[in-house]
This record gives sequence, structure tokens and C-alpha cells, in this order.
Amino acid sequence: NAGVTQTPKFRILKIGQSMTLQCTQDMNHNYMYWYRQDPGMGLKLIYYSVGAGITDKGEVPNGYNVSRSTTEDFPLRLELAAPSQTSVYFCASRTTTGAQYFGPGTRLLVL
Amino acid sequence: GQQLNQSPQSMFIQEGEDVSMNCTSSSIFNTWLWYKQDPGEGPVLLIALYKAGELTSNGRLTAQFGITRKDSFLNISASIPSDVGIYFCAGQNNAGNMLTFGGGTRLMVKP
Repeated sequence: NAGVTQTPKFRILKIGQSMTLQCTQDMNHNYMYWYRQDPGMGLKLIYYSVGAGITDKGEVPNGYNVSRSTTEDFPLRLELAAPSQTSVYFCASRTTTGAQYFGPGTRLLVL
Repeated sequence: GQQLNQSPQSMFIQEGEDVSMNCTSSSIFNTWLWYKQDPGEGPVLLIALYKAGELTSNGRLTAQFGITRKDSFLNISASIPSDVGIYFCAGQNNAGNMLTFGGGTRLMVKP
């Protein structure tokens, strides 16, 4: 199993541009999550999904959108990039017992 | 909302020393998780705890789920340079689908 994979690893965006961060898991987990981590800080939950077709907001959802059309994929969409969205983004999936497994992250710089 | 207090915030120790860190919560959790994050990487799950009083080991790491269900401890024995990183605790309660993360303990090991 590859676990949780994320693409791209790094991206530079101009203010106002849009992009989609991809996340895929091959563990057949129903639960998936998107977090952001600012330098020297902990993880903040952006959105999560408990299964295909179901998504819900986390702590910091503003400026982001998600979709969950399949069990494997959980893309995160930034529509109008802002400097405040410069961060490292982590995707995770969760087992039925609650343990979350994280991807390697996407580093985003908005200039 | 729920808060997790993780201490210490940072530790600078000599190689070979034992390390202890802990997390305390204002409310009860049903699951405690401990993660390690290396620079530029995603958090990696070290130990998962599911029962009050549970003591679980993973090599030189040992973690305990507190009897009150409001705290957890992580011990590292005979530290080595590759133990350097940030350690996060995370708790999940029965009512939610989300993890609450501690602020992290930054561990530095002097060879």
C-alpha cells in the first residue's frame, strides 16, 4: 500500500490564482481530512469527509472547497489564493478505530 | 472547545537520556494518539491508545492512556540523535469525527 499520497509537493501561486491539491489513499478508509500547518504551529483542520459524497467544515474552512466523489480521492480547492493561505497542507485518512495517517504534505507559497 | 495542553514545549537533552512528555485535556477522550513529525515531512503515527490505563510500547517508545481519560504520557528511553523532531499528542472523543492536537514538543538531542 502507498498509504496517503499528495500532489504537488510544492507550488507557488500568484494572488487570485486557483489550484487543486490532490489527495489519494489506497487503504479503503471512509474518513479523510485536510489540515494546514503554519510555520512552527500545530495542525488546523480545514475540511473533512466521512465518506463519498459527504463533506463537512473544520476549524478554518474559509477560502477552501472540497469534494468527495470516490472513497480514494479527496481534493482541496483554493479558488482565489491569498497570502494568508501560504502554508503546508496535509491530507489524512482514518481507520475505523480512529488512528489518522498523514500524507507527505504540499507546500504552498502565495505571492 | 476542547483544548490539549502538551508539555514541555521543547526539550534539549543528551544522547542516551530518557525523555518524558505529556498531554492533558479539559475533557475526556476515548482515543489518544502520539505522532512524530520530522522537518519537511508529514506526522507519522507512533502509538495509538484506545483504553483507559492502557500502556503500549513501540521499540524505545512507551505511551500510556491516563486512568482519568484526560491525559496521556509518552516516554522515550535511551534517546538517539534520530529522535530529534516534534512530537504531537492527539485525542478523539466519542462524539466527534475530529482529532484535537496538542501544541507539540520539540525534542533536540545532543550527540
